[in-house]
Amino acid sequence: DVKVTQSSRYLVKRTGEKVFLECVQDMDHENMFWYRQDPGLGLRLIYFSYDVKMKEKGDIPEGYSVSREKKERFSLILESASTNQTSMYLCASSWPGPTDTQYFGPGTRLTVL
Amino acid sequence: GENVEQHPSTLSVQEGDSAVIKCTYSDSASNYFPWYKQELGKRPQLIIDIRSNVGEKKDQRIAVTLNKTAKHFSLHITETQPEDSAVYFCAASNYGQNFVFGPGTRLSVLP
Repeated sequence: DVKVTQSSRYLVKRTGEKVFLECVQDMDHENMFWYRQDPGLGLRLIYFSYDVKMKEKGDIPEGYSVSREKKERFSLILESASTNQTSMYLCASSWPGPTDTQYFGPGTRLTVL
Repeated sequence: GENVEQHPSTLSVQEGDSAVIKCTYSDSASNYFPWYKQELGKRPQLIIDIRSNVGEKKDQRIAVTLNKTAKHFSLHITETQPEDSAVYFCAASNYGQNFVFGPGTRLSVLP
């Protein structure tokens, strides 16, 4: 059974704090993705990775960075959290094929005060 | 880059009626179009997908149609049930590497 897990379901941080969101998949997927989900805006891609130590910017990378040291783990980092980064963050993974399904984690609702 | 629009943003139907959600995309190179369903408080899950070499695909009460010329694709749900109430997202992808999602449609099925 496909499994994507995220380190926290709910997180509250203060402005200026460094925030780590972790995602782990157990399906040996090559691709991993980080999205943020906001009402009326759908899912917007922050960063993605096709392989270990590889990363590509998505549509809204500003204020974020990522790390992929191991195949199964993809971390999203907010270097200095701001209130406009309050959102639901979803991780996903997929095989590298041309039409492969993305499997999502349960999401982390981050609130920055 | 790719841009995906989705309509309507909200949809209410009576139980047993049909629901149709339509998406348009801008990049003619997109060739894969999945639909995800997200129930309240849960993760998005794939419900059906279609590839650009197919015009229509059906899975029980759910069907998706694709018009490549017009660059739009639609989700059709027949005989709706209360458990179909959720937010539905369409997406477009070029070779599966980068999905662009629509803003979502909140479907409410009224008993």
